[in-house]
Amino acid sequence: SQELEQSPQSLIVQEGKNLTINCTSSKTLYGLYWYKQKYGEGLIFLMMLQKGGEEKSHEKITAKLDEKKQQSSLHITASQPSHAGIYLCGADDGTGANNLFFGTGTRLTVIP
Amino acid sequence: KAGVTQTPRYLIKTRGQQVTLSCSPISGHRSVSWYQQTPGQGLQFLFEYFSETQRNKGNFPGRFSGRQFSNSRSEMNVSTLELGDSALYLCASRRTGYSEQFFGPGTRLTVL
Repeated sequence: SQELEQSPQSLIVQEGKNLTINCTSSKTLYGLYWYKQKYGEGLIFLMMLQKGGEEKSHEKITAKLDEKKQQSSLHITASQPSHAGIYLCGADDGTGANNLFFGTGTRLTVIP
Repeated sequence: KAGVTQTPRYLIKTRGQQVTLSCSPISGHRSVSWYQQTPGQGLQFLFEYFSETQRNKGNFPGRFSGRQFSNSRSEMNVSTLELGDSALYLCASRRTGYSEQFFGPGTRLTVL
């Protein structure tokens, strides 16, 4: 079965610093989704990537899907306390079943 | 447009009881998926409903069931609760023809 591994598991950065979170799949990714979750709350959709080499940005967050479609990275520029939370990558298995499986998450803490 | 809503937000039950959780999708979204999130297992897919029919099911015992109504609202039921069912239950809705799933705030279930 396909698995998603996120690294690092947790990250503590000083406000204003840049950071990168990685999501690696054991198989080809057909759709890769990034979500942010505040502790104990629902997931906020950030971005979806489908094509190899695709890159999307929203405000200070940029996500990329590598050419081989087995790894994605999420980059935050000039981090702010509002960026703190748990970042989850999710993927569909390519069968069209629309059930996502998720990585274990990266907990980001931004120190003011 | 209102987001996905879930009720109740918090629930405390005892072992052996049953529970029903409710999810109202974003207006116009006909697909509703349910997920269970626990510290140990992370976020796992339970099932998906579309047009009142269950389309996909994750690897959970038969104690977990769901249904969808003609207005796309969905309920999930867990019978004979076990301590291990304590979790955050999230539902997500999706617009037909689109891949992105939008999550509700979740229902925190505690089983004592």
